[in-house]
Amino acid sequence: DVKVTQSSRYLVKRTGEKVFLECVQDMDHENMFWYRQDPGLGLRLIYFSYDVKMKEKGDIPEGYSVSREKKERFSLILESASTNQTSMYLCASSLVMTGGGGDPEQYFGPGTRLTVT
Amino acid sequence: KQEVTQIPAALSVPEGENLVLNCSFTDSAIYNLQWFRQDPGKGLTSLLLIQSSQREQTSGRLNASLDKSSGRSTLYIAASQPGDSATYLCAVRRYSGGGADGLTFGKGTHLIIQP
Repeated sequence: DVKVTQSSRYLVKRTGEKVFLECVQDMDHENMFWYRQDPGLGLRLIYFSYDVKMKEKGDIPEGYSVSREKKERFSLILESASTNQTSMYLCASSLVMTGGGGDPEQYFGPGTRLTVT
Repeated sequence: KQEVTQIPAALSVPEGENLVLNCSFTDSAIYNLQWFRQDPGKGLTSLLLIQSSQREQTSGRLNASLDKSSGRSTLYIAASQPGDSATYLCAVRRYSGGGADGLTFGKGTHLIIQP
């Protein structure tokens, strides 16, 4: 079974702190993704990565950065946490699309509920 | 910009009923469509994945269909059980200039199955 793990289930941080959310997958997936989920807004893509050291902005990258130094690990960084970044953060991974084989599904971690006070 | 809509937003039915959840999307340029289940406070569990070239997928009591040209998908749940109570999310894998992109999600259908 694919396993995507996130470093914390619950996290409480203060405004202005630098926050690191870690995600690790154990299936040698090339693609990794960070989403946030908010009531009434649903899940929205923050950043994604196709390969080590590669990153692409999603729909709401402002206030966030990412790091992918190893294939299995994808970190989301809040440079200076703000109260509007209080949310549920979900990490996902998938294989890269191969010719003729269709597009692989995304597997999600359990989520990190971040509260910024 | 791709938008995904799910109808209804909430549904409550007695145990044993067959039910249909609807999903629509505005841009037919998708790679695939995926249905997820989310229990309160938890992550997402993938239920079914339909590639853009496919019409339907089945897993146990679940059947999902895809009509890409009309921008619609349905999730059919047969003989519903209280354990099916959860929020069901529909998501499409987007296409961008560089290839596959992330998922665009609907806001979900909150399903309650009454014992």
